Amino acid sequence: DAGVTQSPTHLIKTRGQQVTLRCSPKSGHDTVSWYQQALGQGPQFIFQYYEEEERQRGNFPDRFSGHQFPNYSSELNVNALLLGDSALYLCASSYLAGGEFFGPGTRLTVL
Amino acid sequence: AQKVTQAQTEISVVEKEDVTLDCVYETRDTTYYLFWYKQPPSGELVFLIRRNSFDEQNEISGRYSWNFQKSTSSFNFTITASQVVDSAVYFCALSEDSSNTGKLIFGQGTTLQVKP
Repeated sequence: DAGVTQSPTHLIKTRGQQVTLRCSPKSGHDTVSWYQQALGQGPQFIFQYYEEEERQRGNFPDRFSGHQFPNYSSELNVNALLLGDSALYLCASSYLAGGEFFGPGTRLTVL
Repeated sequence: AQKVTQAQTEISVVEKEDVTLDCVYETRDTTYYLFWYKQPPSGELVFLIRRNSFDEQNEISGRYSWNFQKSTSSFNFTITASQVVDSAVYFCALSEDSSNTGKLIFGQGTTLQVKP
């Protein structure tokens, strides 16, 4: 049973560019959440997708957007990248709010 | 407002010592869930335990044990006879039932270093 998978593992972008990160949930899970973890900090909730709609959003600007596909996989898009967007982006999946299982993360570096 | 506080930023112990990681939370909900995750250097958050607010029984899993006390809003984590492989960052997290989403609110984490 595959766990949560994310791609790519690492990514380097320059300021102003756009980036797309991908996540496939654990088998049987229908809900995907995205978190941003800056160096030395705890993860911060970005948003959650359920039934292909954004169900809840954390305190992140509109530059952060997402999508969920019919197979429950999800994408996180970040536009107009800033240096402060450099972080580990974690995807988590769950079923019926039963606790979140995390993927290995995508480490984004913005130069 | 919801909040999770892990006051210990870094802890260093020698192998075989016992160590307790503290977690204090704030919430207005009566139904909520508390979690502990381990984050090794690879970065992936590893789920350790989930406990709901109505179950105050302490739990033991091998060398790991958890002490949940609603009276002090604490959910502390003890590693008995620590090992080098326990070295990692440990996060305590809170999920409020009213959010109906399972959204996690994390503490700042405690870095545990176990020296041989």
